[in-house]
Amino acid sequence: EAEVAQSPRYKITEKSQAVAFWCDPISGHATLYWYRQILGQGPELLVQFQDESVVDDSQLPKDRFSAERLKGVDSTLKIQPAELGDSAMYLCASSLAVGGMGIQYFGAGTRLSVL
Amino acid sequence: QKEVEQNSGPLSVPEGAIASLNCTYSDRGSQSFFWYRQYSGKSPELIMFIYSNGDKEDGRFTAQLNKASQYVSLLIRDSQPSDSATYLCAVIGGSNYQLIWGAGTKLIIKP
Repeated sequence: EAEVAQSPRYKITEKSQAVAFWCDPISGHATLYWYRQILGQGPELLVQFQDESVVDDSQLPKDRFSAERLKGVDSTLKIQPAELGDSAMYLCASSLAVGGMGIQYFGAGTRLSVL
Repeated sequence: QKEVEQNSGPLSVPEGAIASLNCTYSDRGSQSFFWYRQYSGKSPELIMFIYSNGDKEDGRFTAQLNKASQYVSLLIRDSQPSDSATYLCAVIGGSNYQLIWGAGTKLIIKP
C-alpha cells in the first residue's frame, strides 16, 4: 500500500539550531501539505503545495520557517533558528485531488523536541 | 473565523457499547467532512468521509451528517479497546477549500 514517507521520525535539537524535515508523498499526488500539531490540538496547516507551487503559506512563520518542493515531488521543511515553542509533531500529508478537495493521507510524522 | 468544535473528552464507553462522537462546524458552505483517528504519538488515520446529508456506514463505523444543523457525528458500534484513541473531525469549506480541524475527542473504551 502506498504511503507518505517522512524522515526523521524523531529529532532533538537545541534552540537556535537549524532543523530540516523531509517528505515524499504518495506517487501521483499533486497536493502536499505540511502541518504542525501541538499536543491536545488539531493539526495546523503551515503550507500547501500544488505541484511545485505554494498555494497557501499564510500560517507559516516566514522569519524562521521555509518550505520547498522544487520538482513537485518530495518536499523539505526547514526551521532556522529553532525555538523552544517549535516543539511539536510535524506532519506531512498528500492528496490526489487538485485544489484541496480530496482526502488527505498522512505520513508518520516527525516529533521535534527543542531543548 | 471558520471553526470546528468537538468535546475534548475524555469520553469513556464500556467495551461492546456504542460510542458517539459529535462535531459542529460554523461555515454553512462546508462541503466535505472527515473523521480521523489518532493514536497517542501517531499520525492521523482516515476513518470515514461523508459529503451528503444522512448516514454512511462502513463496518462498525457510521458517519452522520446534518447540514441544516451543521453537525457531523461518528458512531462506533461494538466498541473495542483498540478503538481507544483521539478522534479528529475535519471539514472542507470556504473559497480556499482549506481543511479545518477540530481539537479532537479522546475516547476510552473500558474492558
